[in-house]
Amino acid sequence: LAKTTQPISMDSYEGQEVNITCSHNNIATNDYITWYQQFPSQGPRFIIQGYKTKVTNEVASLFIPADRKSSTLSLPRVSLSDTAVYYCLVGPSVSGAGSYQLTFGKGTKLSVIP
Amino acid sequence: ETGVTQSPTHLIKTRGQQVTLRCSSQSGHNTVSWYQQALGQGPQFIFQYYREEENGRGNFPPRFSGLQFPNYSSELNVNALELDDSALYLCASPKGYGSNQPQHFGDGTRLSIL
Repeated sequence: LAKTTQPISMDSYEGQEVNITCSHNNIATNDYITWYQQFPSQGPRFIIQGYKTKVTNEVASLFIPADRKSSTLSLPRVSLSDTAVYYCLVGPSVSGAGSYQLTFGKGTKLSVIP
Repeated sequence: ETGVTQSPTHLIKTRGQQVTLRCSSQSGHNTVSWYQQALGQGPQFIFQYYREEENGRGNFPPRFSGLQFPNYSSELNVNALELDDSALYLCASPKGYGSNQPQHFGDGTRLSIL
């Protein structure tokens, strides 16, 4: 499973757009990029997933350049409730043994300031 | 609402004791995974069950064991508890079938070892 590197922490003011970049230099051809959000004392929540170019849903956008060695999660107009840890994961999810193993790093702790 | 329910939410045990944690998924998916999340760290994969059999395991000793039942609910059992076992234990089930499926996580059981 490809390793990922993302900033340990970020601060942002309410109403701003936040971009969190994740590097994954060893991404494999069949790997997808998935982002999860986690609030204290809760389980991770799926935000968005993509393979290449741009993906957008009701909460975020995911930008993936052509070489796929990095990706950027974009959160538009953040609010205090977006304060959380954001995890970038790369992998096929299903290993050769059929295991849906996820490999989490330490994530990026986003603090939104009033 | 993820449809994955874990119980209990909190538990306090002492060293050497045994503990059983429970998980159920409303989706009835035939795959369930368990993760351990220490304070300030990302979740770490313990193992996965598919159709009542373990089919993937992370770097955890045999005193971590599990069961999956015909209704696809699941248990995580930990014997001979150690202080380092203090963590948030999460279970997860895929959102759908096929590779690259994001995971639904429960909100976990907070286990404290005294």
